Amino acid sequence: QSALTQPPSASGSPGQSVTISCAGTSSDVGAYNYVSWYQQHPGKAPKVMIYEVTKRPSGVPDRFSGSRSGNTASLTVSGLQAEDEADYYCSSYAGSNILVVFGGGTKLTVL
Amino acid sequence: QLQLQESGPGLVKPSETLSLTCTVSGGSISSSSYYWGWIRQPPGRGLEWIGSIYYKGTTYYNPSLRSRVTTSADTSKNQFSLKVTSVTAADTAVYYCAKFTIFGAWFDPWGQGTLVTVSS
Repeated sequence: QSALTQPPSASGSPGQSVTISCAGTSSDVGAYNYVSWYQQHPGKAPKVMIYEVTKRPSGVPDRFSGSRSGNTASLTVSGLQAEDEADYYCSSYAGSNILVVFGGGTKLTVL
Repeated sequence: QLQLQESGPGLVKPSETLSLTCTVSGGSISSSSYYWGWIRQPPGRGLEWIGSIYYKGTTYYNPSLRSRVTTSADTSKNQFSLKVTSVTAADTAVYYCAKFTIFGAWFDPWGQGTLVTVSS
């Protein structure tokens, strides 16, 4: 059982927007501005898409955006493209005892 | 640019010790700004943080693995390493190393990963 809760699947048609949620607690997602999102294509290593809740590394399309409300963070992918089909994982800082917790992952399907 | 590469045995027997090394190129593990981390992913499952190390030796471990995990850093070789003792089939996973920005708690970049199977 993962520390952060994500829906197992999400889907959308090309051009549409989809939002993936990541539910945590007041000890992790709700406590720090340290939520990250990773994209993982089959057989590949994860790639960071969002860090510190809303920041995008250079090279990540602005179609990807992050937000947080209370203990739940969200990743929104706008203008869905076929190459966005992948697994997405959220993570959060959770204090000095356990630095990082991950969500269980969401498989995004582009219909 | 910074690149990381995991290396080590792909097959480990139950009850033995899993040992992996991450070689960093294009940058130094002695950078004052970053930690270095290990993450694993059992086949078909999600990511699990194992631990992170600073080049001077400060370490953090996942409490669920703390009793069996050790990490170390060799600045002369620009490498850091992972040891997991008393392995079982549950330790079968793809193991990734990555640069860890502790103030922000995010991993980037990642190595390509290496599959370690625990089996007799």
